[in-house]
Amino acid sequence: KAGVTQTPRYLIKTRGQQVTLSCSPISGHRSVSWYQQTPGQGLQFLFEYFSETQRNKGNFPGRFSGRQFSNSRSEMNVSTLELGDSALYLCASSLNGGQNTEAFFGQGTRLTVV
Amino acid sequence: QKEVEQNSGPLSVPEGAIASLNCTYSDRVSQSFFWYRQYSGKSPELIMSIYSNGDKEDGRFTAQLNKASQYVSLLIRDSQPSDSATYLCAVVQGAQKLVFGQGTRLTINP
Repeated sequence: KAGVTQTPRYLIKTRGQQVTLSCSPISGHRSVSWYQQTPGQGLQFLFEYFSETQRNKGNFPGRFSGRQFSNSRSEMNVSTLELGDSALYLCASSLNGGQNTEAFFGQGTRLTVV
Repeated sequence: QKEVEQNSGPLSVPEGAIASLNCTYSDRVSQSFFWYRQYSGKSPELIMSIYSNGDKEDGRFTAQLNKASQYVSLLIRDSQPSDSATYLCAVVQGAQKLVFGQGTRLTINP
């Protein structure tokens, strides 16, 4: 069974640009969550999607957005990139995102903003 | 107070010994708890989940949960050099959202 697939693995962007990251969940999983990981802040929740609906959102500015497609694949977008957006962006999939469901992470996308 | 706190580490343990990792959480209504292992440069890997008070064992790993004390721990028996990694405690907050501790870096010394 294939795991969570994130593309691209690495990205270098300049300030002010926008970026789109992609995540394909484990087959049969309908919940996709996104996290940002930095050395200073650790792992922080961005948002969660289930059946194409955003059910929960973390404390990030509106420059961070996402969506989910009917096949459960998800994308996140960051507009007007800032240096502080440099981070590892992780996608996690779970069956339904409920309390007792386990979440599995993809390999991540390493974003560097210069 | 942070929502999820872990012993700061780094933690150094000799090979073959027991490594003990601790985590406390602030949200009293939390029901689901997870331990992830993250090797340097890699993504977090789920190693244990626990939902009920008591112990849960899986191979060399034992997770312990005490909801009254809001405390979760992970014991690694017969520690191996390959166990050297950062261990992340995660708590489900509300629904769909995992809140992570800062992680404890564990080094197993041969």
